[in-house]
Amino acid sequence: NAGVTQTPKFQVLKTGQSMTLQCAQDMNHNSMYWYRQDPGMGLRLIYYSASEGTTDKGEVPNGYNVSRLNKREFSLRLESAAPSQTSVYFCASNLGQGRRPQHFGDGTRLSIL
Amino acid sequence: RKEVEQDPGPFNVPEGATVAFNCTYSNSASQSFFWYRQDCRKEPKLLMSVYSSGNEDGRFTAQLNRASQYISLLIRDSKLSDSATYLCVVNNNAGNMLTFGGGTRLMVKP
Repeated sequence: NAGVTQTPKFQVLKTGQSMTLQCAQDMNHNSMYWYRQDPGMGLRLIYYSASEGTTDKGEVPNGYNVSRLNKREFSLRLESAAPSQTSVYFCASNLGQGRRPQHFGDGTRLSIL
Repeated sequence: RKEVEQDPGPFNVPEGATVAFNCTYSNSASQSFFWYRQDCRKEPKLLMSVYSSGNEDGRFTAQLNRASQYISLLIRDSKLSDSATYLCVVNNNAGNMLTFGGGTRLMVKP
């Protein structure tokens, strides 16, 4: 049982390049989330999708876009990467409702030069 | 003030020791509380949910104090494998969003 799968695991970009981080879950969860984690900052929510067909901004959405492609997949796009977006990105999912714990993918380490 | 605050540590303890972490949260309407564990360069993993009456899972005990708005995690008989960062997580009552504390780092020494 794979759980939450993220690709790629590592990526190096140049400033201004674009890329899409992929996330898929096989737990039939309704809700999916994208976080970034920076040293000393903890996890911060970028965007989330409460259910298929809906997306909402989190705490730090600027510079990002998302697509909930179907129930399983939720992608995060950087249109024009900036060095400030160097971070570890985690995708998570849960059954929905904030009371439910979230299950995380193993992260994407992104460096922007 | 941060929504969820934790002492970053590190807490350095010998094997077998008992260690406790506290976490404070600012939103009095929060309803769900969790402790997650995160190993170095790994993803966060759910350690345990925190219930109003307090709950225990083996060597781990979680307590919630709504009046003072804090959550605690007690680890008894610490093992080397308990070395990790422990994240306090609170539902901010705005739908599906969880708020993560910055984490408390624990290092258990032989």
